[in-house]
Amino acid sequence: AQTVTQSQPEMSVQEAETVTLSCTYDTSESNYYLFWYKQPPSRQMILVIRQEAYKQQNATENRFSVNFQKAAKSFSLKISDSQLGDTAMYFCAFMTGANSKLTFGKGITLSVRP
Amino acid sequence: NAGVTQTPKFRILKIGQSMTLQCTQDMNHNYMYWYRQDPGMGLKLIYYSVGAGITDKGEVPNGYNVSRSTTEDFPLRLELAAPSQTSVYFCASKRLLLNTEAFFGQGTRLTVV
Repeated sequence: AQTVTQSQPEMSVQEAETVTLSCTYDTSESNYYLFWYKQPPSRQMILVIRQEAYKQQNATENRFSVNFQKAAKSFSLKISDSQLGDTAMYFCAFMTGANSKLTFGKGITLSVRP
Repeated sequence: NAGVTQTPKFRILKIGQSMTLQCTQDMNHNYMYWYRQDPGMGLKLIYYSVGAGITDKGEVPNGYNVSRSTTEDFPLRLELAAPSQTSVYFCASKRLLLNTEAFFGQGTRLTVV
């Protein structure tokens, strides 16, 4: 079974600072994909960043980057220069090539303080 | 391009009633999913489908049923509603390529009283 663990229920960061959100996963598969989704108060789910497991290079999207440690099965999200609009719930998600399930973690609530 | 459309947005059901949550996507996506979101519990997969005529159970299928007669539609049926089914329900769809993003509907807030 594939599982995704987000152990921090909530975090807070000062505007303009950097914050890292943690995620670990468990799988026996070698072909898989990892995602971070953002859910603002509007409830809309928005893709933040994605990472293919076969790529060693960490994905980057503007202020968002990941630290992908395949051996440790860790996939953390770093948000640089935090903005008030980053306040949201963030979900780590995982999908393997063996099945079509898209599995989510419990999420972390991030608050950006002005 | 409407994306993923869920109806209704809100619903209050009485215990024992039944209802169908509708989900339609216009992106010709093969994969479709139903999740429920409870506070502090993340998104739990109820059912999913890899194409018309094919469905499979997720983590929490009890009390729900699905069908996928077309590529576009993936309705979720609640039989004999129970208070434990009070939740926010999300439908999502995705292309076959694994590294592509899933698109979500706006969610349905369901309360069973």
